[in-house]
Amino acid sequence: GAVVSQHPSWVICKSGTSVKIECRSLDFQATTMFWYRQFPKQSLMLMATSNEGSKATYEQGVEKDKFLINHASLTLSTLTVTSAHPEDSSFYICSARERIGGIYGYTFGSGTRLTVV
Amino acid sequence: ELKVEQNPLFLSMQEGKNYTIYCNYSTTSDRLYWYRQDPGKSLESLFVLLSNGAVKQEGRLMASLDTKARLSTLHITAAVHDLSATYFCAVGKMSDDKLIFGTGTRLQVFP
Repeated sequence: GAVVSQHPSWVICKSGTSVKIECRSLDFQATTMFWYRQFPKQSLMLMATSNEGSKATYEQGVEKDKFLINHASLTLSTLTVTSAHPEDSSFYICSARERIGGIYGYTFGSGTRLTVV
Repeated sequence: ELKVEQNPLFLSMQEGKNYTIYCNYSTTSDRLYWYRQDPGKSLESLFVLLSNGAVKQEGRLMASLDTKARLSTLHITAAVHDLSATYFCAVGKMSDDKLIFGTGTRLQVFP
């Protein structure tokens, strides 16, 4: 089945620094990927839609200058948290969409736990 | 705006018992997904429901969809400890194919 690789699994960084998270579709091409964040014991909140070769579409309330998304190839999307602050600490999950037999399937990465100190 | 609600939010149940988790959504959709999440882990796909009246079963879990009522259910039969996890439903938006997640149901099965 479809596999999405997400790296790193966890990262600790200092306030004010930037962190890049990678999301790769390993055995299929994903023109569209999605980025979510999840706070402890809460649901997944959609942050943005990443489209290959074009600018990402951000959900209302998500700062596009803080959460930079790049989808430069059909298998890779990156999320960069710029000038991270403790309130950015969260679990970030990517998802890649694949169309199989007329149905959209969504495969999720393993997630990245970001802790900003 | 599409909103997805689940209930209950938390469910503690004894092994061997049956229970149902409910997922309500606010606008028309043509697909609904159920996922399982273990603590600290990502999401595992359980079911994809695409049409009114669709029913799918895998082991002790059975999911159904009523598009007219905008309601999906996840039924647990004879629960076992291994089913302890958080379960999410997610609804696909017809306008742009985004997935909007429900609030989640944290299931705890005890002996």
